[in-house]
Amino acid sequence: SQQGEEDPQALSIQEGENATMNCSYKTSINNLQWYRQNSGRGLVHLILIRSNEREKHSGRLRVTLDTSKKSSSLLITASRAADTASYFCATDGADSWGKLQFGAGTQVVVTP
Amino acid sequence: DTAVSQTPKYLVTQMGNDKSIKCEQNLGHDTMYWYKQDSKKFLKIMFSYNNKELIINETVPNRFSPKSPDKAHLNLHINSLELGDSAVYFCASSQDSGSWLINSPLHFGNGTRLTVT
Repeated sequence: SQQGEEDPQALSIQEGENATMNCSYKTSINNLQWYRQNSGRGLVHLILIRSNEREKHSGRLRVTLDTSKKSSSLLITASRAADTASYFCATDGADSWGKLQFGAGTQVVVTP
Repeated sequence: DTAVSQTPKYLVTQMGNDKSIKCEQNLGHDTMYWYKQDSKKFLKIMFSYNNKELIINETVPNRFSPKSPDKAHLNLHINSLELGDSAVYFCASSQDSGSWLINSPLHFGNGTRLTVT
């Protein structure tokens, strides 16, 4: 079964703007991961945040986790055309032994 | 150097045929996976192997048979292909031991786009 659901499904912004996407999940988790997928390519890992962490940064990326609301957000600051991709959250949940379960992703388009 | 490589990148075949997809990782990881991504980009796990042993078989039709000759390779053989098998298949690997917790990121190949006509 699908664990994470991203929102919005699609996002169109201009270069320099910030992009925020959200992920909601259903069961308690061990950790949550965010991945990026460029068109025609495999998924690339961005950030892993553990269930006892609330916020993590990596370059222009900021991830928050609210386990009480079972939700996470990914913020891309000062977006660039190269950030155009689909972004997926994935969870290692209590009901998914050894399985990283992905949502359907948020498609982000950054126009110059 | 490509960390996780899959071949072929594209596979077009007719219904009823048998085909294989190969995957190799040079990261020294113990665990490898097959994921299927459908036309709506939903990614679903199919199998995972740890040190050549099957750990997860996620209610996949038995027409799909993974084989791991060694821990660096995980191949996927599909018998009697059906139209619904059309999708992009991703191989991935991780440092995890295949136990019930996932603590490491997955490293994905670039996928094999399978089209069944």
